[in-house]
Amino acid sequence: SQKIEQNSEALNIQEGKTATLTCNYTNYSPAYLQWYRQDPGRGPVFLLLIRENEKEKRKERLKVTFDTTLKQSLFHITASQPADSATYLCALEGGSQGNLIFGKGTKLSVKP
Amino acid sequence: NAGVTQTPKFQVLKTGQSMTLQCAQDMNHEYMSWYRQDPGMGLRLIHYSVGAGITDQGEVPNGYNVSRSTTEDFPLRLLSAAPSQTSVYFCASSYEFRNSGEQFFGPGTRLTVL
Repeated sequence: SQKIEQNSEALNIQEGKTATLTCNYTNYSPAYLQWYRQDPGRGPVFLLLIRENEKEKRKERLKVTFDTTLKQSLFHITASQPADSATYLCALEGGSQGNLIFGKGTKLSVKP
Repeated sequence: NAGVTQTPKFQVLKTGQSMTLQCAQDMNHEYMSWYRQDPGMGLRLIHYSVGAGITDQGEVPNGYNVSRSTTEDFPLRLLSAAPSQTSVYFCASSYEFRNSGEQFFGPGTRLTVL
């Protein structure tokens, strides 16, 4: 079955720098991959979806890449701000019924 | 739109008690699902539904029941609570099955089983 690994449990960076989060999967390439943001005590909020035929997708300060050869997605936040501090989850189609499976998340802390 | 709502926000149960976690959405989404989130485990799918009258099991269905009598509501029932069911439960809905569409999550229910 498909497995997802988000390599870092936590990432600390300085305000203004670019944060880069990694999501790796182990088996077949999914048709799409999604990224969510989760704040403490709240449900995840959808950020971006990237399909297997797309190399890169952008939304404001966010950029997601999808490399099916490396079986990896990178999630970038440019010009990071303390308000970007949260846990970021990647998710992809991988369940036995085609449902989403989620990584464990990376907790990002942006220091002023 | 209220989006996805869940009640209660917090609940404490004793082992063996039963209860129902409520979930409702007002976006006319066909696909709804329940997840549990535990430290170090990430979100795991319990049950899901692709429309009224249709439900199926996810990754961790044991000890839980669901039903979908309307498009709007998708309650999750704990039949006989166990300490292993202590978790945060999230309900989610999506316009598309197979999850190519974004999922909208509720605020969660934090359940403690003593």
